[in-house]
Amino acid sequence: QKEVEQNSGPLSVPEGAIASLNCTYSDRVSQSFFWYRQYSGKSPELIMSIYSNGDKEDGRFTAQLNKASQYVSLLIRDSQPSDSATYLCAVYRGSTLGRLYFGRGTQLTVWP
Amino acid sequence: SAVISQKPSRDICQRGTSLTIQCQVDSQVTMMFWYRQQPGQSLTLIATANQGSEATYESGFVIDKFPISRPNLTFSTLTVSNMSPEDSSIYLCSAPGQAPYGYTFGSGTRLTVV
Repeated sequence: QKEVEQNSGPLSVPEGAIASLNCTYSDRVSQSFFWYRQYSGKSPELIMSIYSNGDKEDGRFTAQLNKASQYVSLLIRDSQPSDSATYLCAVYRGSTLGRLYFGRGTQLTVWP
Repeated sequence: SAVISQKPSRDICQRGTSLTIQCQVDSQVTMMFWYRQQPGQSLTLIATANQGSEATYESGFVIDKFPISRPNLTFSTLTVSNMSPEDSSIYLCSAPGQAPYGYTFGSGTRLTVV
């Protein structure tokens, strides 16, 4: 079982729709969870972090965490073509030299 | 979050040669991380670089091939040695922000080995 798994893509949504990106992780001791956005040819950019169960909202982005189900998601409301990118889920376990574990990423396309 | 300057941004190298990639962080960080990202793939951790100790390498990566230096708390280098076309990839460095939130990445080095 992979450390971090993301829903297979690619995901395609129309402009203005809600894009839903999902991620599961295998280690129950995981402490912190991150979503990165990576545009083609660019390095990953942190867009959301979440540490406690529940929802965290930042503008059009909402991260949801359910530690009992070992599940974290990212919702993008009012999707824009500029949101088209690969989204990487990352997990920090707190006990492994501070490294992050990354999922394979989900490619999102928002079409006008 | 830390701001990381990485260079070179890209390079084309002959097989058998070596390339050293540099990362400078704008604040002191205990750990820095080096990743490789092949086209269309996610990030693969090469090694963790702690200041004052030997780097810790992930399975499949060895010090002779990817020597790392970490002379102080703001700087690290990764060398890709005796390169082959299979080493063509994007190499990224990363560092954590405050405790351990907001890991940031350098802008990446796109390496092509011919």
